[in-house]
This record gives sequence, structure tokens and C-alpha cells, in this order.
Amino acid sequence: AQSVTQLGSHVSVSEGALVLLRCNYSSSVPPYLFWYVQYPNQGLQLLLKYTSAATLVKGINGFEAEFKKSETSFHLTKPSAHMSDAAEYFCAVSDRGSTLGRLYFGRGTQLTVWP
Amino acid sequence: GAGVSQSPSNKVTEKGKDVELRCDPISGHTALYWYRQSLGQGLEFLIYFQGNSAPDKSGLPSDRFSAERTGGSVSTLTIQRTQQEDSAVYLCASSRDRATEAFFGQGTRLTVV
Repeated sequence: AQSVTQLGSHVSVSEGALVLLRCNYSSSVPPYLFWYVQYPNQGLQLLLKYTSAATLVKGINGFEAEFKKSETSFHLTKPSAHMSDAAEYFCAVSDRGSTLGRLYFGRGTQLTVWP
Repeated sequence: GAGVSQSPSNKVTEKGKDVELRCDPISGHTALYWYRQSLGQGLEFLIYFQGNSAPDKSGLPSDRFSAERTGGSVSTLTIQRTQQEDSAVYLCASSRDRATEAFFGQGTRLTVV
């Protein structure tokens, strides 16, 4: 089974600062990779996904993530944080090699943006 | 419908009662997931349906929890003899296939008193 590790359950940045949220996966075969965002009292919304194309993936709201096979990582970045980015972020993977292709989620990272 | 629909949005029940939570996935989506999210916690996987394959029930926390998916569409999560620790937001999601994203419903907030 896959495992997903999100380093740092809480990340705080100042408005305008770089956002870096870390995600590492366990599979030796590169999986499908996703980042989701959850705003308070809402469901999860897809930010971006990596399936098999370019390793640098651009998503909504200015976020992007880079797939690095050698590091088994898919870290999420945004050059300049905005107050509206404050939310919880989840990394998820789906195993290409599995018949079922179940999604596995990390434990989430709560992003706080200070004015 | 346009998105994943869950009902009810809120449910308050007495300890020991049974509850049923409903999920209407996006039409044509073969995969359906149930997750549980407690206050300040991450997403706890409960069960996963994929087409006609046997569901992955490995996340169900006890035999009080069960789920079914009728006709490859609507799913019902049933919790029998509810306990206070069952209080959480129950999220349903569906996806077209493993390479595409899962779309989440707004969740059902269950409170056991």
C-alpha cells in the first residue's frame, strides 16, 4: 500500500512570502499525484494533479508543484502568499500499479498567512 | 447533478441509534470513496468502491460501520449503535478513474449526543 507523508502539520508564512508545503510518497513506481485544498467547513477542492506529463504542474490560485522521482516528492509552492490561501492542504496519491487505484491522503498541512 | 451530493448535511443522533448517510456521486464516475474527518484530524479512509470490483473495506473502524453502493451509483454509509467517538464529518468523493481527480461532497456533520 502507498503511504504519503506531509512534513509539517502547520506552516505559517507572512503575506507575500513563499509558500512551500512538502509531500513525499512511498511507491517505487511513480503514482498519480494530487494536491487538494480544504477551506473551513467545506469539502476538498483539487488544486493540481500530476499524471504523466510535465514534471512541473501548474494549478489554480497560483500554486504549482514539481514531481521529483529521485526524491519521491511532490512539493507544493506558491511564490507569494495571500491571506485567502489560509486553509488546509492535502497531498494524495493513486497507485498506477493497482487494479483499484485507491486514493491515499497525507495527514494535511494547515497553512496560516499572517498580514 | 453537477457535483457530489451528500445528505443530510447535518445529523444529530442519540448514542445507540443507527444512522444512514447518503452520497450521490457524479454521474458516470466509477469510483466512490467515504472518508471521515474529525476535528483537527486528517482524512481517515473508510471504504472505496470501484466499478463492479469488491469494495476495499479496510478502513472501516468496526463492524458497526457498513456501506453499500446500489447500481454503481448512490452509496449509503450506515453506522449502527452510534457512539460519541463516531462524531465527525463524513466526506464522500467520486472520480471517473484513478488518473483523474476525486470530487468531494460538502460532507455530513454527524454529532452523537
